[in-house]
Amino acid sequence: GNSVTQMEGPVTLSEEAFLTINCTYTATGYPSLFWYVQYPGEGLQLLLKATKADDKGSNKGFEATYRKETTSFHLEKGSVQVSDSAVYFCALRGSASGTSYGKLTFGQGTILTVHP
Amino acid sequence: GAVVSQHPSWVICKSGTSVKIECRSLDFQATTMFWYRQFPKQSLMLMATSNEGSKATYEQGVEKDKFLINHASLTLSTLTVTSAHPEDSSFYICSARAGGGGAYEQYFGPGTRLTVT
Repeated sequence: GNSVTQMEGPVTLSEEAFLTINCTYTATGYPSLFWYVQYPGEGLQLLLKATKADDKGSNKGFEATYRKETTSFHLEKGSVQVSDSAVYFCALRGSASGTSYGKLTFGQGTILTVHP
Repeated sequence: GAVVSQHPSWVICKSGTSVKIECRSLDFQATTMFWYRQFPKQSLMLMATSNEGSKATYEQGVEKDKFLINHASLTLSTLTVTSAHPEDSSFYICSARAGGGGAYEQYFGPGTRLTVT
């Protein structure tokens, strides 16, 4: 079945540091890939997505590139802010017909804390 | 973006009682709703998918008779945990989607923390 593996946290950074959160996946067919962010007390929000190989998703300074050859979708940001402190989830949406189609499979989440 | 609400945000109940959690799409019609369960420091686990007016489709290993899902309207789905036990304590998250298949974005509620004593 489909699976997503995320870098374990928590990750603690100083403001303006570079961020990378690793994400690799296992899936059949050509899944779409997502990063969701969950701020304290709120629901998951879509941060960015990529629907095919070599696509780059970007939003709010965050970027991730869909690498089919390495089955990865690592999240990066050049300069983090305190307001980026949250839990980040990598996810894939199955493309193959059958039971996985249209369903999201999540990684375990990575807690990011950014200090001033 | 679209807003999904959940009520209550947290609930404590005694073992053996039932608890109902509501999920509402506030500004769009949700043809499909999903219910997830999240354990501490773990991923979201899909419990079931429901389409408005149809019976929910449960994931393997999820007890249908324990976790009753109703999706009676395009803006409301409910999850009822029947005869709750301490092992049912968890964080339950709903998600709603405006259309079928993979073309539509899913919007997530803020979650409901259930504690069974």
